[in-house]
Amino acid sequence: KNQVEQSPQSLIILEGKNCTLQCNYTVSPFSNLRWYKQDTGRGPVSLTIMTFSENTKSNGRYTATLDADTKQSSLHITASQLSDSASYICVVTSPGFQKLVFGTGTRLLVSP
Amino acid sequence: NAGVTQTPKFRILKIGQSMTLQCTQDMNHNYMYWYRQDPGMGLKLIYYSVGAGITDKGEVPNGYNVSRSTTEDFPLRLELAAPSQTSVYFCASRSAWENQPQHFGDGTRLSIL
Repeated sequence: KNQVEQSPQSLIILEGKNCTLQCNYTVSPFSNLRWYKQDTGRGPVSLTIMTFSENTKSNGRYTATLDADTKQSSLHITASQLSDSASYICVVTSPGFQKLVFGTGTRLLVSP
Repeated sequence: NAGVTQTPKFRILKIGQSMTLQCTQDMNHNYMYWYRQDPGMGLKLIYYSVGAGITDKGEVPNGYNVSRSTTEDFPLRLELAAPSQTSVYFCASRSAWENQPQHFGDGTRLSIL
């Protein structure tokens, strides 16, 4: 069964600290892996997209990694800010425009 | 650019009523999607469209219908609303190019009582 599992479910960190969110998947075949940020009451916004051949991609203070052999990805947030408080969703795509499998997300709270 | 616009933002329906959730995008994207997001669950695909006049079912299509008469608009129709359809509904669009992100609207929060 195609699945995307994220950990932890929720996380509280102090402002200015770093954190890493995990994503494990069993989706096959694989086309790309995406990380989205979803603020409360808003739609998800794309942070990064990585294909099979990419193992690192950055977007400002966000850095995503991908190990396609172990089917694991991580999202590292550096020097967290209060505005980073959100849910972070990992999405794995198979070839074909409609075959996206969404994780349930990690809820991050950055505390002052 | 407004991106993807969904209306209404909130709605309360009685069991058995019908309504249409509106979605429009101004990015000239061919692909459009409807998802529902339930608490603690990942987004589930209801219907999708690859262009005007072409739609197809996703994972959870029962109780819903869609149409795509123009590139910009992709309304979702609920017939005979049921409590199980209480959810947050998101519309998204994407260009046809490979490895492009989906752009999401801000959702419609629907309660069926």
